[in-house]
Amino acid sequence: NAGVTQTPKFQVLKTGQSMTLQCAQDMNHEYMSWYRQDPGMGLRLIHYSVGAGITDQGEVPNGYNVSRSTTEDFPLRLLSAAPSQTSVYFCASSPGGDRGNTIYFGEGSWLTVV
Amino acid sequence: AQSVSQHNHHVILSEAASLELGCNYSYGGTVNLFWYVQYPGQHLQLLLKYFSGDPLVKGIKGFEAEFIKSKFSFNLRKPSVQWSDTAEYFCAANDYKLSFGAGTTVTVRA
Repeated sequence: NAGVTQTPKFQVLKTGQSMTLQCAQDMNHEYMSWYRQDPGMGLRLIHYSVGAGITDQGEVPNGYNVSRSTTEDFPLRLLSAAPSQTSVYFCASSPGGDRGNTIYFGEGSWLTVV
Repeated sequence: AQSVSQHNHHVILSEAASLELGCNYSYGGTVNLFWYVQYPGQHLQLLLKYFSGDPLVKGIKGFEAEFIKSKFSFNLRKPSVQWSDTAEYFCAANDYKLSFGAGTTVTVRA
């Protein structure tokens, strides 16, 4: 029962570096998404995917790329890290994009950009 | 697009006090509503959810929430809090993409 697995849990980057946050789910969910959590702002949607090969932008997509080559994996790429991207990142999945499906979250990735 | 607002940023209570956290959403159509809790250093966990039917929803750990369609509200309640309820609470609404409120930090003093 792995659920949603995110790696790494903690990462420190220098400004301008690139990195990829990995997300994998073993529940055969169609819908996957990435959120960032910042104090006083709740969780904001970065990118989401409704199935393999399909991705779309959320509320705060700038500076991030995603791809969905398989149902299981949904990596988030930071192209050129900036201090404003210091945040906690959560990957989530649900059985479908339909309303009413519970969304399952990973344990979070704490990213600091210096 | 859906938006969700939570009334309180930080609530401080004593043990055994009652808790009520306000949540309003903006979408006028059919909407599914959730409350999530995040304990310090942990990920989000689902407390309860409303899809349809009885507007009074019971969740885990003694929490409940009431959906009032006319007020676009989905307030969370617990009659008697414990120290272990110290956490951040997020209201969320799903009309296609899940939108979250800014969160309410609840601190329960022993």
